[in-house]
Amino acid sequence: RKEVEQDPGPFNVPEGATVAFNCTYSNSASQSFFWYRQDCRKEPKLLMSVYSSGNEDGRFTAQLNRASQYISLLIRDSKLSDSATYLCVVKTGNQFYFGTGTSLTVIP
Amino acid sequence: EADIYQTPRYLVIGTGKKITLECSQTMGHDKMYWYQQDPGMELHLIHYSYGVNSTEKGDLSSESTVSRIRTEHFPLTLESARPSHTSQYLCASSDTGNQPQHFGDGTRLSIL
Repeated sequence: RKEVEQDPGPFNVPEGATVAFNCTYSNSASQSFFWYRQDCRKEPKLLMSVYSSGNEDGRFTAQLNRASQYISLLIRDSKLSDSATYLCVVKTGNQFYFGTGTSLTVIP
Repeated sequence: EADIYQTPRYLVIGTGKKITLECSQTMGHDKMYWYQQDPGMELHLIHYSYGVNSTEKGDLSSESTVSRIRTEHFPLTLESARPSHTSQYLCASSDTGNQPQHFGDGTRLSIL
């Protein structure tokens, strides 16, 4: 079983739409959770950490459900510039486990 | 902005050459990682280090080697490059605790 499972998409949404990505992880001992954004042929960049209480950064909201071992990312009012691949990342000990990424294309 | 640097950004070289990809970070992070990623595919961990003189192989079998003589420097070496080594190589580092990884810009390697 993979450490992190993520729906690969692709998600094609119109500008202004709200889109949600989900991710599950298998190790209940995992201690830290992140969402990264990766543009085509670029390196992953940290979008936001995910906290148990949920956290928001502008149009982006991240949620963590430890009981269900589930992480989500909500993007409101999608912009063309949000088009990218979104990676769910789980830290267990000193190791980072990456989901396969979810591809998002925001259409004008 | 994270201070982690990779050189070269791009390298096109012939089969059989010895190659060293450089990675340096100025954040004093103990933990450093090398990943390999093909276009549109997921990242694969090939090497990691938790500190000076500590290196381990990752999940993906790789013919490369690494060294960690100084905290800030984690070079990756291919003794004899082959076309199958063509890929993007990403270096990352992290601090202890709940801190995330920070990535370098990557090296795009093409072996002819």
